[in-house]
Amino acid sequence: GENVEQHPSTLSVQEGDSAVIKCTYSDSASNYFPWYKQELGKRPQLIIDIRSNVGEKKDQRIAVTLNKTAKHFSLHITETQPEDSAVYFCAANNAGGSYIPTFGRGTSLIVHP
Amino acid sequence: DGGITQSPKYLFRKEGQNVTLSCEQNLNHDAMYWYRQDPGQGLRLIYYSQIVNDFQKGDIAEGYSVSREKKESFPLTVTSAQKNPTAFYLCASSRVGVSQPQHFGDGTRLSIL
Repeated sequence: GENVEQHPSTLSVQEGDSAVIKCTYSDSASNYFPWYKQELGKRPQLIIDIRSNVGEKKDQRIAVTLNKTAKHFSLHITETQPEDSAVYFCAANNAGGSYIPTFGRGTSLIVHP
Repeated sequence: DGGITQSPKYLFRKEGQNVTLSCEQNLNHDAMYWYRQDPGQGLRLIYYSQIVNDFQKGDIAEGYSVSREKKESFPLTVTSAQKNPTAFYLCASSRVGVSQPQHFGDGTRLSIL
């Protein structure tokens, strides 16, 4: 089955810096890669996603890049703000199977004012 | 207001007791999922269902049971066979198919008395 590795597990940055979270996946059949943000005590929410026919997608201060050959994808957050502090999860969906996502273990992002 | 409702928010279990966590959605989604969240472990899939009256085991199904008698409802029972039930439980739903993000409930925190 699919295996998703996410790094780092904790990321601490100063307000205004950029943050990058990386994920690798094992199954080349995976073709949909969502990112979720979970604030403390709240539900995970989709913040951005990318499909395998696209190499990069941007939405204001966040972007996701995908390298299908290397089987890795990354979340980039620019001009970080304290409200970006949360746990971020990546996931990979396998279209060849049951469409069930496999999640990474999460990255706790701390943005210091 | 469309969404997923989980109840209760907090639940306590005594030794030898079965407890049931409720999950209801009004998004007209065919697929529903149960995840267990432990610190540093990410989201681990317990059970999922893609159609009424059918469900499949996830990665950590032992000690849990589910039913899917209605499209809107997917209750999870934590049985006495689950020896380490203390965790945060998240329910999610989605459309079935490629590139479908998940929508999560607010979660239920289960503790042992």
